[in-house]
Amino acid sequence: EAQVTQNPRYLITVTGKKLTVTCSQNMNHEYMSWYRQDPGLGLRQIYYSMNVEVTDKGDVPEGYKVSRKEKRNFPLILESPSPNQTSLYFCASGTGGRTEAFFGQGTRLTVV
Amino acid sequence: KQEVTQIPAALSVPEGENLVLNCSFTDSAIYNLQWFRQDPGKGLTSLLLIQSSQREQTSGRLNASLDKSSGRSTLYIAASQPGDSATYLCAVWGTSYGKLTFGQGTILTVHP
Repeated sequence: EAQVTQNPRYLITVTGKKLTVTCSQNMNHEYMSWYRQDPGLGLRQIYYSMNVEVTDKGDVPEGYKVSRKEKRNFPLILESPSPNQTSLYFCASGTGGRTEAFFGQGTRLTVV
Repeated sequence: KQEVTQIPAALSVPEGENLVLNCSFTDSAIYNLQWFRQDPGKGLTSLLLIQSSQREQTSGRLNASLDKSSGRSTLYIAASQPGDSATYLCAVWGTSYGKLTFGQGTILTVHP
């Protein structure tokens, strides 16, 4: 089944403790991206990647890192999480940077 | 900077009604527009992708139209059902390759 898989689905962590949210797709898509969704602010793009070793900032990249070492994986790294990064995070993939995007099930992160 | 607005923010209708959800965007130089559905606690499901060269796209009871010059798209849902209850999101692929900008969504409730 074609899908975008995020792990974990739920995560509670403490301020400053480094964490990684994984994202994997099995559709051989070149494009992958991360978004966060917050009440009243909607979905905002954090980072995106057009291919292996090619990444670029979205609208809200501060406090986040990404890497694209393999085509299928695009992990989101929070080096020192803060409470304002409490949010619902989504990973997406697509064949290109302007084609249909497919989303994962989301990761609900709480930073205390 | 591209801004996407969806009206209304919430809509409650009786089962069987035909309804229209609206999406507007400030920069008409878009490549594609995509409509999504989001169920509570779930990820985003792609409903329709309209390419900039198209005027409309249909899938089952859903019909989406696009008027680039006026910066508008509408999602028409025919014969609504309680199972259609969800948040509907509009997103545009603009001139910046890889950037997808979302509206805030319309929360639809279809009651029996």
